[in-house]
Amino acid sequence: NAGVMQNPRHLVRRRGQEARLRCSPMKGHSHVYWYRQLPEEGLKFMVYLQKENIIDESGMPKERFSAEFPKEGPSILRIQQVVRGDSAAYFCASSRGQSLDYEQYFGPGTRLTVT
Amino acid sequence: TQLLEQSPQFLSIQEGENLTVYCNSSSVFSSLQWYRQEPGEGPVLLVTVVTGGEVKKLKRLTFQFGDARKDSSLHITAAQPGDTGLYLCAGAAAGGFKTIFGAGTRLFVKA
Repeated sequence: NAGVMQNPRHLVRRRGQEARLRCSPMKGHSHVYWYRQLPEEGLKFMVYLQKENIIDESGMPKERFSAEFPKEGPSILRIQQVVRGDSAAYFCASSRGQSLDYEQYFGPGTRLTVT
Repeated sequence: TQLLEQSPQFLSIQEGENLTVYCNSSSVFSSLQWYRQEPGEGPVLLVTVVTGGEVKKLKRLTFQFGDARKDSSLHITAAQPGDTGLYLCAGAAAGGFKTIFGAGTRLFVKA
């Protein structure tokens, strides 16, 4: 029973390039959350998605960042024209239902480095 | 804005000592979770507390939820080097879908 999978685990991009982060939720989970973690800090909520729908994107910057969770395939967090400040660990979590009622299970994260 | 403040930020102790870390807020949370995160990995859920005054035990770890559901504590008895990690508390934001995380307590247990 595979857990939440994220790839790549490490991603290096030059300033101005695009970063594409993938998250495959646990089997049977249709809710996905993306978080960002800076060194020595806690996790900051970015976006909450269900299949084909964005439910809450209040934690995601309005520009350059987008997320999707298509009917088939993994959830994608896309960062366009990356800047050095985007360097962080990005975690996704999945759950069976809405976060208030169901536990979230986290993936191992993608560490993005922008040079 | 709901915030969770964790203290201490950093704790270094000897193996066998006891310790308590705290998670405080001025807001009421319907539930709080405690996670442990090791370097290079995602957080792993330890426990969820739901009822005010609730106490849950997980081997040498004791979790308590405040009566008013605004704060929580984690007590570790006879700490071991394997307990080393970042301990995060988290709570569901009222009226929304976000989970709010504290900044964490980084625990280092020396052998």
